[in-house]
Amino acid sequence: AQSVTQPDIHITVSEGASLELRCNYSYGATPYLFWYVQSPGQGLQLLLKYFSGDTLVQGIKGFEAEFKRSQSSFNLRKPSVHWSDAAEYFCAVVRISNSGYALNFGKGTSLLVTP
Amino acid sequence: DSGVTQTPKHLITATGQRVTLRCSPRSGDLSVYWYQQSLDQGLQFLIQYYNGEERAKGNILERFSAQQFPDLHSELNLSSLELGDSALYFCASSPGTSDSTDTQYFGPGTRLTVL
Repeated sequence: AQSVTQPDIHITVSEGASLELRCNYSYGATPYLFWYVQSPGQGLQLLLKYFSGDTLVQGIKGFEAEFKRSQSSFNLRKPSVHWSDAAEYFCAVVRISNSGYALNFGKGTSLLVTP
Repeated sequence: DSGVTQTPKHLITATGQRVTLRCSPRSGDLSVYWYQQSLDQGLQFLIQYYNGEERAKGNILERFSAQQFPDLHSELNLSSLELGDSALYFCASSPGTSDSTDTQYFGPGTRLTVL
């Protein structure tokens, strides 16, 4: 079954530093992958998505992610983190089954940004 | 603001009770999804409706049911509530043109507390 793993539960970075959040997927074919962000008390907002084509995907808020089939990864990156980026980040993959499609989410990575 | 609305924002009830959560999708979206977010299980897909009909089913308990009405709003009914049902319940909507690649837009969630 299609699934994603986010190895890091918490990450702390200094404001202005670069960021990389890890996501590994499990699926034989090309997966449909998403990154969402959840700010405290808010719903989930889509940052970017990958279906096919260019393996480097640009998203909102200065985020990008790179699909690497050889490593089964879809890591999220940002060159310079702002304090407002502190939030919970979720990687997700479309789960395809007899009963249709849905998103399978990772456990999430909580990002703390220090001054 | 994703355009998806959920009511109520908070709900506190007792074990054994029944509650109804309401979701209004974005204008024009035909698909509605329900997800449950809890500390121990993370974000779990419950069920999807498309234009009034059930399309996909996930880890939804038999005590839970949902429906989508002709005006496309959806309701999630939770009955015989248990302490473990305390969670954040999200509704998401998508255009419905392609379940596998459509972006799902999430509402702010309903926080359910069962005492």
